[in-house]
Amino acid sequence: EVQLVQSGAEVKKPGESLKISCKGSGYSFTSYWIGWVRQMPGKGLEWMGIIYPGDSDTRYSPSFQGQVTISADKSISTAYLQWSSLKASDTAMYYCALRGSGSYFADYWGQGTLVTVSS
Amino acid sequence: QSALTQPASVSGSPGQSITISCTGTSSDVGGYNYVSWYQQHPGKAPKLMIYDVSNRPSGVSNRFSGSKSGNTASLTISGLQAEDEADYYCSSYTSSSTLEVFGGGTKLTVL
Repeated sequence: EVQLVQSGAEVKKPGESLKISCKGSGYSFTSYWIGWVRQMPGKGLEWMGIIYPGDSDTRYSPSFQGQVTISADKSISTAYLQWSSLKASDTAMYYCALRGSGSYFADYWGQGTLVTVSS
Repeated sequence: QSALTQPASVSGSPGQSITISCTGTSSDVGGYNYVSWYQQHPGKAPKLMIYDVSNRPSGVSNRFSGSKSGNTASLTISGLQAEDEADYYCSSYTSSSTLEVFGGGTKLTVL
C-alpha cells in the first residue's frame, strides 16, 4: 500500500527556520516525483515545487523559487520542505503528493502538516 | 487569481447530476489532455478523482466523469449523494510553467 506520512504540526515565530518531512512507503521512492502543495487558510491549492529523488532533479513554481528549499534523502525514503526564515504569511497547511514520472497528476497525498507562524 | 477559472459554488439535490466547469486557455486546458480533478473534504487531504481529462483511478465511483471541449474541462457527478459534498479542484498541465496549475476550487453543496 502506497503511503506518504508527514511530520506533525509546527508552531513557529517569524524569522525562525523550519524543515518538515514526508516519508514514502509501498513504492519505489526513487522512481516517482514528490511535490509540495500549499493551502493557505480557507484558500485553494498551489504547487510549490517537486523533486525526483532518483537524481535530485528539483523544480520550483516561480512564486516559491528562493523562498523554500525542497530536498530528499533516498536512504530513508523521505522528502523535505524547508524555510530559512519564516513569515506570518507562511501559515498554511502543506501537503506532499506523489506524481508519476511522465504524468501530470498527483495520485497519492500525505495527510498534511499545519504550519503556524505567529509572534 | 488562479490560472484556471471555476465557479465558486454549485449545488444539487440527492440523486441529481451536477457539472463543474474549469476554464483555461490554449496553453493549458485547451492544448493538452492533462486535466485532473481532486475532491477535498473539510480537514482532509485532496483525493484524485479524474486524471488525463476522463480517466478514473481505481476505486473512484463511476458516478464521477470528466470531459473537455475547447478550453473548458468539466467534472460531472451523477446520482448525487450526501458524501459528495466537498470542494473540487481542477488542475492542468501548462506550457507556461514547470508545474501544473490549479483552479480556484468549487464548493459543492448537496441540498
